[in-house]
Amino acid sequence: QSALTQPASVSGSPGQSITISCTGTSSDVGSYNLVSWYQQHPGTAPKLMIYEVNKRPSGVSDRFSGSKSGNTASLTISGLQAEDEADYYCCSYAGSSTLVFGGGTTLTVL
Amino acid sequence: QVQLQESGPGLVKPSQTLSLICTVSGGSISSGGYYWSWIRQHPGKGLEWIAYIYYSGSIYYNPSLKSRVTISLDTSKNQFSLRLSSVTAADTAVYYCARCRGGSGDWYIDLWGRGTLVTVSS
Repeated sequence: QSALTQPASVSGSPGQSITISCTGTSSDVGSYNLVSWYQQHPGTAPKLMIYEVNKRPSGVSDRFSGSKSGNTASLTISGLQAEDEADYYCCSYAGSSTLVFGGGTTLTVL
Repeated sequence: QVQLQESGPGLVKPSQTLSLICTVSGGSISSGGYYWSWIRQHPGKGLEWIAYIYYSGSIYYNPSLKSRVTISLDTSKNQFSLRLSSVTAADTAVYYCARCRGGSGDWYIDLWGRGTLVTVSS
């Protein structure tokens, strides 16, 4: 069970859109539409932003969206805002009732 | 609403056993559809799923930690716990308890505790 692969960092200017990728294998991301995304600000617990690839929990801005193609899932944030600056983690069901996380991506709003 | 709170020693000596408890308030740990979970985050690093337990007693462990981890449930106290044996400095991390929706075609963590830092040092 290896960690999912995410870029270490991404950046964008306010108002722009950015996309964070999350690459797994045919044993996790590629096999299940069970990818979730979490936002973590410094010193706080992660917060669920997307589940089941593209569903948003109540209260999460519609500027956040998710997608998946093959073994790669993506999180897109449109209309970037200063408050979006945080670490983002993807997570996938990996079979046999196990989960695997990505290494995390730091988003910087320029 | 449901809240989770971790408790336990913040400092553990090498080779000893790390023990943490998560207290669930505002809801029953015996509610179906949720796996009660432990997740850790090494300083400045990513998240690592450790284990979870269902109210029925079903348990699932991260294969990389399975030999050292024990998770258990105390429904009378609405708590679940983690024990990690033979710890080393590499086990220094923030430990989160969390609630994972699962088993019905969905698997995601919808609720997290605030986390507790455990340092392994002599």
